[in-house]
Amino acid sequence: EAGVTQFPSHSVIEKGQTVTLRCDPISGHDNLYWYRRVMGKEIKFLLHFVKESKQDESGMPNNRFLAERTGGTYSTLKVQPAELEDSGVYFCASSQEGGAGVLGEQFFGPGTRLTVL
Amino acid sequence: GDSVTQMEGPVTLSEEAFLTINCTYTATGYPSLFWYVQYPGEGLQLLLKATKADDKGSNKGFEATYRKETTSFHLEKGSVQVSDSAVYFCALSSSNTGNQFYFGTGTSLTVIP
Repeated sequence: EAGVTQFPSHSVIEKGQTVTLRCDPISGHDNLYWYRRVMGKEIKFLLHFVKESKQDESGMPNNRFLAERTGGTYSTLKVQPAELEDSGVYFCASSQEGGAGVLGEQFFGPGTRLTVL
Repeated sequence: GDSVTQMEGPVTLSEEAFLTINCTYTATGYPSLFWYVQYPGEGLQLLLKATKADDKGSNKGFEATYRKETTSFHLEKGSVQVSDSAVYFCALSSSNTGNQFYFGTGTSLTVIP
């Protein structure tokens, strides 16, 4: 069974440009999470989807970030316009109903490394 | 709010040395605790977990015990191998926080032959 996949693996853009990151969760996983790790710091929660609905978006840093999960399958995270401080590694994770605290673990993708110049 | 404090790195050890990576947490409820590992070029993988106080998680020779009295979940391995070189993340999750994860900053481990 395929794990969580993310695309692209790396992205280098200039300040002010737009970038869209994609995450394909494990098939059948209703929960989808986005996280971000800025260089040398902790991995921080951005938001949580349950199917196509945003369950919690308290970690989204500002309105330059837009996440969608149309149809409750894959998700995209768009940054527009990108700023220097948006550089980091963006992780996606998915889990079955109930999430890590109840039924099991969150399965993470390999991450997308975003560099904003 | 909930948080995790993890031992700073990087850590460099010789093969067969003993490893300890400290992790302490702050949580309002009763969280589950995790260690994730990221090998070079790969994604985060669950290494072990513990869901309640005094539970011991173990996998691949690594162990960690959920200590509520000291709010700790230190990772240990008796004899590290070169293949253990990776970044290790301590994390917590609880239903109080919608099951989102709170991670530590990560500890980079390099094991030299």
